[in-house]
Amino acid sequence: GAVVSQHPSRVICKSGTSVKIECRSLDFQATTMFWYRQFPKQSLMLMATSNEGSKATYEQGVEKDKFLINHASLTLSTLTVTSAHPEDSSFYICSAQRGQGAQETQYFGPGTRLLVL
Amino acid sequence: GEDVEQSLFLSVREGDSSVINCTYTDSSSTYLYWYKQEPGAGLQLLTYIFSNMDMKQDQRLTVLLNKKDKHLSLRIADTQTGDSAIYFCAESKRGKLIFGQGTELSVKP
Repeated sequence: GAVVSQHPSRVICKSGTSVKIECRSLDFQATTMFWYRQFPKQSLMLMATSNEGSKATYEQGVEKDKFLINHASLTLSTLTVTSAHPEDSSFYICSAQRGQGAQETQYFGPGTRLLVL
Repeated sequence: GEDVEQSLFLSVREGDSSVINCTYTDSSSTYLYWYKQEPGAGLQLLTYIFSNMDMKQDQRLTVLLNKKDKHLSLRIADTQTGDSAIYFCAESKRGKLIFGQGTELSVKP
């Protein structure tokens, strides 16, 4: 199978600090990765599409200066929540896309729970 | 309305079959997916079906697709307590996955 890891799994930080979350595809290369946010008892909300070697594409309503995405290699994408505030507390999940065109499939990481105090 | 809709809850007894239903809107979706999420975890890809198929079976899982009605279902045979989780269906749309709200499956012993 395809394995995607995230680090850290949980993080607690103070308001105003920045937090970096890593997403790695362990056994395949991923040109495209995705970042999602999930609130309790709700579905996943796509935040942005991370493209290796180019700028991320953000969904409407997601602040690109607040949620910085870097996809520097084919196996690593990072999401940095800058100047975090309590309302940024959430479960952040990444996925890595494997395959091309009609056969592409997303494999998800285990998620990172962020709590901002 | 939502692109992908699911009922929110389903409760079954251990050993029974579970059927989770989903409706979607984009008839051009090439693949439709079922994911499982256990508490505090990410999403696990369970199975997917290509849009030109009517049915796909994989061990205890059976996916039925009615493309005319844009209706997708996931049947879990001989449901076990370990199947308790939230199940998401998703359609692919312009390279992105659009998820339903998730169906919480509760399996009672």
